[in-house]
Amino acid sequence: GDSVTQMEGPVTLSEEAFLTINCTYTATGYPSLFWYVQYPGEGLQLLLKATKADDKGSNKGFEATYRKETTSFHLEKGSVQVSDSAVYFCALIDSYGGSQGNLIFGKGTKLSVKP
Amino acid sequence: EAQVTQNPRYLITVTGKKLTVTCSQNMNHEYMSWYRQDPGLGLRQIYYSMNVEVTDKGDVPEGYKVSRKEKRNFPLILESPSPNQTSLYFCASSITYRAQETQYFGPGTRLLVL
Repeated sequence: GDSVTQMEGPVTLSEEAFLTINCTYTATGYPSLFWYVQYPGEGLQLLLKATKADDKGSNKGFEATYRKETTSFHLEKGSVQVSDSAVYFCALIDSYGGSQGNLIFGKGTKLSVKP
Repeated sequence: EAQVTQNPRYLITVTGKKLTVTCSQNMNHEYMSWYRQDPGLGLRQIYYSMNVEVTDKGDVPEGYKVSRKEKRNFPLILESPSPNQTSLYFCASSITYRAQETQYFGPGTRLLVL
C-alpha cells in the first residue's frame, strides 16, 4: 500500500541554519504531496503542496519539489527562525480510485530551533 | 472566518461511557474525515464521508461510528470507549475527495479513557 517515510527527529538547529527534512513515498497512482505543520498545542496547518511531478511548493520561506524519479518531496528552508519550531508531517493522497481522499502521513519530524 | 471546529477540545471519560465528539465546517465542503494521532504512528484515518449520507471506513475504524446527516457536521461517536482509544483526534474537510484538494484540519480533541 501507499506509504510515506520521513526522517526521524528530533532535529535541533540554531537560528539562521539551513533546514532539510527528507521525505520519500511509495504510491500506486499519481499522488499529490503535502507538508503539514503542527505548532505546539495546535492542529495541523497546510504548509505547502505539489500536485504533479516537478512542481515546487513554497510558503513562508519553505520549499519542496516533487521528484517523481526519486519519489521524494524534501522540505527545505534557507534560514530557520525560533518560530519555526514545530512538528512537520509529510503526506500524500493517491490519485487512484481506492484512495478516497485518505491522507497518508509520515510519522512526523520535530524541529527545535535555538536562539 | 473559514474554519473547522471541534468540541470538546479535551475530554476525560471512563471505559464504556458513550461519547460524541462534534465536528463542524463552514466552507460548504463535500468531503469530511476523522483522523487519530498517536506518538510514533503519525495520523491515521478513522472514517470519511464523500457527501451527505455517504460514509465509509478508513484505516482504523474499529470502535467508532460516524454520521453525516448535514453537509456541515460530521460527529464521531464512541459507543463504548476503551483505554486504547486514548488519543488526539482531528476532523478535516475539503472541497472534494480528489487528490489535489487541500484538507483543512480542526484544532483537535484530546481524549483520555480511564
